[in-house]
Amino acid sequence: AQRVTQPEKLLSVFKGAPVELKCNYSYSGSPELFWYVQYSRQRLQLLLRHISRESIKGFTADLNKGETSFHLKKPFAQEEDSAMYYCALGAGGTSYGKLTFGQGTILTVHP
Amino acid sequence: GAGVSQTPSNKVTEKGKYVELRCDPISGHTALYWYRQSLGQGPEFLIYFQGTGAADDSGLPNDRFFAVRPEGSVSTLKIQRTERGDSAVYLCASSLRGVSLGDRSSYNEQFFGPGTRLTVL
Repeated sequence: AQRVTQPEKLLSVFKGAPVELKCNYSYSGSPELFWYVQYSRQRLQLLLRHISRESIKGFTADLNKGETSFHLKKPFAQEEDSAMYYCALGAGGTSYGKLTFGQGTILTVHP
Repeated sequence: GAGVSQTPSNKVTEKGKYVELRCDPISGHTALYWYRQSLGQGPEFLIYFQGTGAADDSGLPNDRFFAVRPEGSVSTLKIQRTERGDSAVYLCASSLRGVSLGDRSSYNEQFFGPGTRLTVL
């Protein structure tokens, strides 16, 4: 069974501080991991995916298979980063594309 | 171009009634997904269409829930004999294609709609 755990429902930091949103997963196959973001009054959108190893809006995430983690990091948080963040796991095989989401972390960046 | 649209944006119904929720995917997207998001939770997978057929309906909670996509574009999620526990935001997403063709770098991003908030009184 697939499971995604985001241990923090709320995370508050000050502008300019580093931020790390934690994500752990459980999956017997080879995982595809993603971070999705939902800004206030906007729809859910993809932030980044582990397979492309990209940095979007200063965020990075490294897949650690040994620790089954995919934590999202940014060295200097900005107020516009305040949003709901979801970690998601993509299944393989014929269900490729089906996503299992964590409960989400609300990030608040204070001025 | 236009993104994924969902109608209605809000639906209030009474326990026991039948409801239909509609999703218009991005034009040309062959894969369509339905998710349900309860308060304080992340989206939960319901069903995935590849073209007209349901490739994976393992997330539908029971036989009161049914979804169709007759022409491979618009999809309708149908809920019979609604219960208070069905209250949630129902999200639809579409992607260019869903099934991996073996190229792991070609994952197709899912584009989400704004959701339909269903309230069962």
